[in-house]
Amino acid sequence: EAQVTQNPRYLITVTGKKLTVTCSQNMNHEYMSWYRQDPGLGLRQIYYSMNVEVTDKGDVPEGYKVSRKEKRNFPLILESPSPNQTSLYFCASSLTGGTGGYTFGSGTRLTVV
Amino acid sequence: GDSVTQMEGPVTLSEEAFLTINCTYTATGYPSLFWYVQYPGEGLQLLLKATKADDKGSNKGFEATYRKETTSFHLEKGSVQVSDSAVYFCALIMTSNTGKLIFGQGTTLQVKP
Repeated sequence: EAQVTQNPRYLITVTGKKLTVTCSQNMNHEYMSWYRQDPGLGLRQIYYSMNVEVTDKGDVPEGYKVSRKEKRNFPLILESPSPNQTSLYFCASSLTGGTGGYTFGSGTRLTVV
Repeated sequence: GDSVTQMEGPVTLSEEAFLTINCTYTATGYPSLFWYVQYPGEGLQLLLKATKADDKGSNKGFEATYRKETTSFHLEKGSVQVSDSAVYFCALIMTSNTGKLIFGQGTTLQVKP
């Protein structure tokens, strides 16, 4: 089944403790992207990647890192999480830069206390 | 900058009622337009898309027509079901290689039996 898999689905952590949210797709898509969803603010892009070793900042990159060492994986790294990073995170992938539509993962609900 | 504006929700309808969710956009070029749906506890799913003016996207009884003259992409369905209850997002992508989806705020639809 074609899908984007994110892990974990739920995570509660403490301020400053490094964490990684994994994202993997099995569709050989070139484009991958991370979004966060917050009440009243909607969905905002954090980082995106057009291909292996090619990444760039989205609208809200502060406090996040990404890497794209393999085509299928695009992990999101929070080096020192803070409470304002409490959010619902989505990974998404697309074959054609998004114009054909993105496939989204099921989401990761992160709480930083 | 580029943006998407959706009608505010929640929208509450009875089963078999007609649905319209308004969406207008602002863009400097010629975007591709999308409707995504988010069911409770799940990620976003592509519902339909249109890539150029006068295109009509359709899926699962939902339709939307790309109207360049009014910069609109309103979502319609002739007869809603309880299972259509979800959050609906209008979004655009500019033809560039960032692949960034720009989302509207989302409209919550509740269908009552």
